[in-house]
Amino acid sequence: ETGVTQTPRHLVMGMTNKKSLKCEQHLGHNAMYWYKQSAKKPLELMFVYSLEERVENNSVPSRFSPECPNSSHLFLHLHTLQPEDSALYLCASSPRPGDEKLFFGSGTQLSVL
Amino acid sequence: SQQGEEDPQALSIQEGENATMNCSYKTSINNLQWYRQNSGRGLVHLILIRSNEREKHSGRLRVTLDTSKKSSSLLITASRAADTASYFCATGTLSSGSARQLTFGSGTQLTVLP
Repeated sequence: ETGVTQTPRHLVMGMTNKKSLKCEQHLGHNAMYWYKQSAKKPLELMFVYSLEERVENNSVPSRFSPECPNSSHLFLHLHTLQPEDSALYLCASSPRPGDEKLFFGSGTQLSVL
Repeated sequence: SQQGEEDPQALSIQEGENATMNCSYKTSINNLQWYRQNSGRGLVHLILIRSNEREKHSGRLRVTLDTSKKSSSLLITASRAADTASYFCATGTLSSGSARQLTFGSGTQLTVLP
C-alpha cells in the first residue's frame, strides 16, 4: 500500500456518459497529480494541484475536468469522452509540489466504448 | 520528443541472473529516478540519483548516472520471478527539479523466468 487510494479500479463508459474518478491520499501530502498511461506510451502528466496553485498540461482536452476540494482528495470528472481516452489513469501525491518522489495509486483502468 | 527513453523495450532472463536496463535523456537534469510497475498497478518509486552523484545502491539495485553521456543504468542483481514488472526512468529537469517536471520514459518490460 502506497497510501494513495483510487476508485473505481475499472470503469467502462459510453461516449455520452459522465463519470468521475476519485483519489484519496492518507499521507498528509500537499500536492496531488493526475497522470494518463496509454499502452506503449510514456506517462503523460495531466494536472498538478497544490495548496498554492493548479498546473495543467495545456494539451489536455476540456472533457477532462479536475477538482481538488482539499489536500487529501482529488477528482477527475469525465464527460463526452472519446475511445482514444481509454487508458490507465494514475493519481499520485508528494509531500510538497517541489518534492521529487511521487507516490502513486493503483490507477483506474478506463474503457470508453 | 520524450525526455527519457529506456533500452531495451523488453528483457527476458532466468532467475538468478542480473538484469540491466538503460535510460537515455536529452536535456540537462537535476535528478533521475527509477520506478517499477506491476501489470495494471501504479508505479512504485525505487531509487533517486542526483546529477552530482555517479552511483547509488539500494538492496539488490544499483543505479549509475553518466551526465556526460546523458544516460543511466539500473542493475538488478540475483533477479527473482517477483522482479517481473515494467521499469521506468523519470528525469527531473534542471529548471525546477519539482515533481511536476518529471518526465517518464516508455519503460522496459522485464520478465524473470523461474
